[in-house]
Amino acid sequence: DAGVTQSPTHLIKTRGQQVTLRCSPKSGHDTVSWYQQALGQGPQFIFQYYEEEERQRGNFPDRFSGHQFPNYSSELNVNALLLGDSALYLCASSFEVNYGYTFGSGTRLTVV
Amino acid sequence: GQQVMQIPQYQHVQEGEDFTTYCNSSTTLSNIQWYKQRPGGHPVFLIQLVKSGEVKKQKRLTFQFGEAKKNSSLHITATQTTDVGTYFCAGSNYKLTFGKGTLLTVNP
Repeated sequence: DAGVTQSPTHLIKTRGQQVTLRCSPKSGHDTVSWYQQALGQGPQFIFQYYEEEERQRGNFPDRFSGHQFPNYSSELNVNALLLGDSALYLCASSFEVNYGYTFGSGTRLTVV
Repeated sequence: GQQVMQIPQYQHVQEGEDFTTYCNSSTTLSNIQWYKQRPGGHPVFLIQLVKSGEVKKQKRLTFQFGEAKKNSSLHITATQTTDVGTYFCAGSNYKLTFGKGTLLTVNP
């Protein structure tokens, strides 16, 4: 049990569509970060949420947006999907930013 | 922006041999973290190093943080088949930046 819950586990979308991925952090964690991991690559940082605010952002276009709710859960939204958005999307939670992250099992997104 | 490089990209060893992966950051880090990802799995936190020159051990795993806090290494003594996976270092300066990882395979 990873402690971080992500849904759905798998998703197939068509180019141009929009997708919402969800994450519930580990109990006691207040910071949620989202990563994109392509096959054979390291996780790439998308953004991080703390106290319902986007605190840090990686080099991803504005098509990628997110939200954190008062219960610390989070959503990742991707608009106008491209084939290149196909990847494993990982949510990670932590207690503040400089502690070890707990990752969820991820959402495997396939864009066709 | 901050970049984290890892070498080697791949390492294949015979069971019982030692294994080392190296990590270098383009900037000084507040801390460095190591993760292991099994095939088909998600990254699992192994350890965090904070102090310059810090060395930590977890059974057969030894982690080091460089004096300048820009490099780190993970050494596994006497590898076992359960050690198979990709080992990532991740540098922290408010956001966690991952290297590309080292894929370790172990021949029994």
